[in-house]
Amino acid sequence: QQQVKQSPQSLIVQKGGISIINCAYENTAFDYFPWYQQFPGKGPALLIAIRPDVSEKKEGRFTISFNKSAKQFSLHIMDSQPGDSATYFCAAIPPREYGNKLVFGAGTILRVKS
Amino acid sequence: GAVVSQHPSRVICKSGTSVKIECRSLDFQATTMFWYRQFPKQSLMLMATSNEGSKATYEQGVEKDKFLINHASLTLSTLTVTSAHPEDSSFYICSARPSRDRDEQYFGPGTRLTVT
Repeated sequence: QQQVKQSPQSLIVQKGGISIINCAYENTAFDYFPWYQQFPGKGPALLIAIRPDVSEKKEGRFTISFNKSAKQFSLHIMDSQPGDSATYFCAAIPPREYGNKLVFGAGTILRVKS
Repeated sequence: GAVVSQHPSRVICKSGTSVKIECRSLDFQATTMFWYRQFPKQSLMLMATSNEGSKATYEQGVEKDKFLINHASLTLSTLTVTSAHPEDSSFYICSARPSRDRDEQYFGPGTRLTVT
């Protein structure tokens, strides 16, 4: 119920291509879905986030697509660059009355080949 | 904005000693701070939640007497690993939430602890 399943585990994309990472959840009480980017030896950085009342959110080259009925959401990185090579984590947060703690996916290691 | 710092970034200590890690929110007040542990190539594991001025809430399986958390002010939380052992070696990361009305959490850069 509290899990967020993330796929794929790793991804190799050519420079300029589109990177797509998918996540699925079970708990319909989740109401905030952030994506984090983490470089080796660094803490995660908040990339973009969405709430379930919106089906898509775009910030620069990063887009979240959200499918509430399927309980799935995905991150699309357009025009992927070698500097995007990092580990990406999706996450979900339930409302405050349910603990309000981040539930992380397992992570996706993205490598963008130049 | 929303910068979180951690100190030290790396620490090596001998088995049996204690080590303190500081987490500071630099440009905002954090009503809640979280402490995570991350093993190589794995996701983040929440250890505890600390609210300013109250006792920390520990996740199941985390020893509260071993991992002491203090959230003394709205910008500072500390994690003390007491009587450290080699199995405590890990990457410790804190995060801070600006207010109870917001869901965003901002993470610090992490602290690499090595216990010899």
